[in-house]
Order: sequence, then structure tokens, then C-alpha cells
Amino acid sequence: NAGVTQTPKFQVLKTGQSMTLQCAQDMNHEYMSWYRQDPGMGLRLIHYSVGAGITDQGEVPNGYNVSRSTTEDFPLRLLSAAPSQTSVYFCASSYSGGALEAFFGQGTRLTVV
Amino acid sequence: GQQLNQSPQSMFIQEGEDVSMNCTSSSIFNTWLWYKQDPGEGPVLLIALYKAGELTSNGRLTAQFGITRKDSFLNISASIPSDVGIYFCAALNYGGSQGNLIFGKGTKLSVKP
Repeated sequence: NAGVTQTPKFQVLKTGQSMTLQCAQDMNHEYMSWYRQDPGMGLRLIHYSVGAGITDQGEVPNGYNVSRSTTEDFPLRLLSAAPSQTSVYFCASSYSGGALEAFFGQGTRLTVV
Repeated sequence: GQQLNQSPQSMFIQEGEDVSMNCTSSSIFNTWLWYKQDPGEGPVLLIALYKAGELTSNGRLTAQFGITRKDSFLNISASIPSDVGIYFCAALNYGGSQGNLIFGKGTKLSVKP
């Protein structure tokens, strides 16, 4: 009964470091996505995937890479962390074919110093 | 790009009061969703609306899909302390993948001191 699992929950990076935020779902959902949440900005879409091997950019993709080699996993990579990437990151998944209920993970709080 | 204007940004409630919030856009959508986010958690879906004019309830929560398809409303009746949190509206168009799900900036509900 795990749902969407994100790791780590908290992370502090130095400017210029790279890291990968992990996201895994056990609901066999085809659609997965990454959002960032900043105060007063709501949730903004970074990247999304409609199935294994297929990814696309969202509203704020710069500085982030994604890949989708399996249905279950959708990691988000920060190539060279910047203070502007300090945020809370949420991974979400949903069924395909018009069922739009998105399930969210608990979030990763990232601080770049 | 498409934007959702959510109001109010924040509000204080006293136990037992009714609460109303809304979300508007200049764009037409085919689906409206309302989420609630508790501190330190990811958003959780409260209500999904799929048809213009639709009125849907979930316990003390009632949401409506505006007849123009450009707005949606969420009402909470007889509020209780556990209603505090951030409420987000979200909207989607037909044929869109989860990549087309956009969010309002949220309404923060707090308890009156």
C-alpha cells in the first residue's frame, strides 16, 4: 500500500553539486510527473512522462533532467544545483486513459546553499 | 500561458463557519480538481469535476464546475480545526496528458486565534 514514494525527504546541496531525487510508484500508473512548490507560487510542472521511454518538458524544465526506463520509477536529476532550485519537490502519478486523479508523494525539501 | 486565479489567498476560520473559495481562468477547461495539502505532506485529491455545471459533494465539501467552464468553486460547511491547510484548484483539458494539469496558487486556511 505504498503509493508514491519519494526519497530523500530532506537534502542540502552546495551550489554546483548534482543529485537525483527518486520517485517510485507501485500502482502501475502510466503517467508520472514532477512539480516544484515555492511559497506563493503553487505547484509548477517541471517534467512529465506518459509512459516508459517517453518524457516531456513542463513549465519550468531548465536545470532538470528526467528519464523513464521503467513504469515504476521516474527520477529527477539536478545537473548543477543553484540556490534558485531551493524548493519542495513533489512527484505524482496517475492512470492513463482519462482517469485524472493524481496521487502525490510526500515531497523532498531541497535547500541549495 | 494558461493560468488559474485562485482566491482568496488566505483566510481565517472559526470552528463552525462555512468557507468558500474559487478559481477562475480566461481559458476553458474540461476537468476541475480540488486538492488539500496538510503541512509536510503532498496534496490529496478532494473532489473531481468532469462536466460543466456539475455539483459534487464529499462530506462537508461541495464543489461546482462553472457553466462557462472557466471557473470552479469549493465550499466547506461547518468548518472544523482539521480543515486547516492549503487548498489547490487544478484544471485539465481533454486529450491532455498529466502534463497539462495546471494548479492555482492555493488558498491557505488557518484557525482564528
